[in-house]
Amino acid sequence: KAGVTQTPRYLIKTRGQQVTLSCSPISGHRSVSWYQQTPGQGLQFLFEYFSETQRNKGNFPGRFSGRQFSNSRSEMNVSTLELGDSALYLCASSQTGQFNSPLHFGNGTRLTVT
Amino acid sequence: AQSVTQLDSQVPVFEEAPVELRCNYSSSVSVYLFWYVQYPNQGLQLLLKYLSGSTLVESINGFEAEFNKSQTSFHLRKPSVHISDTAEYFCAVSDQAPGGGYQKVTFGIGTKLQVIP
Repeated sequence: KAGVTQTPRYLIKTRGQQVTLSCSPISGHRSVSWYQQTPGQGLQFLFEYFSETQRNKGNFPGRFSGRQFSNSRSEMNVSTLELGDSALYLCASSQTGQFNSPLHFGNGTRLTVT
Repeated sequence: AQSVTQLDSQVPVFEEAPVELRCNYSSSVSVYLFWYVQYPNQGLQLLLKYLSGSTLVESINGFEAEFNKSQTSFHLRKPSVHISDTAEYFCAVSDQAPGGGYQKVTFGIGTKLQVIP
């Protein structure tokens, strides 16, 4: 099976712009989660989707949003970019989204905001 | 709120020496525990997991971790490290979100293991 695929791998944007990141989960996985990884904060949970419904959301401002499509592919969007949004954004899928289900991560999208 | 503490941000160790990466968690309910590894420029990969049963779990590349409920710990060990083990290691705790039905995963801050030749 193919792993979790995130596109693009790298992005450079300027402050005030918006960005959309894409994630294709492992085939058959219905849960997709997004994390922001920065050197000082570690992995911070953004949100989780299951069957096109957002079930859980972390403590991020409304500029961060996401959605999931019927084929389980997911996108996240960040509007009005700030310098502090520079980070590695990781997508993870799991088969059921239940608490005994390991996460499978993509290689991430590295976003740099200048 | 659930929390995961990885006590060491960096651990340097000589090749073929043993290593222990520490992880403590706080939770009042049943939890599932995971260790993930992240190599440079990659995402996280599952290293091992504790779901139930034997408190000692092993990975295919020689790592092991022991679940200690009384000490709320899940330390990761390897008796002899290799250069290829150089990576960042994350401890994670998964339990049911309030209201049930789905998981809530909390990660530690990560420990960078540097294996010195």
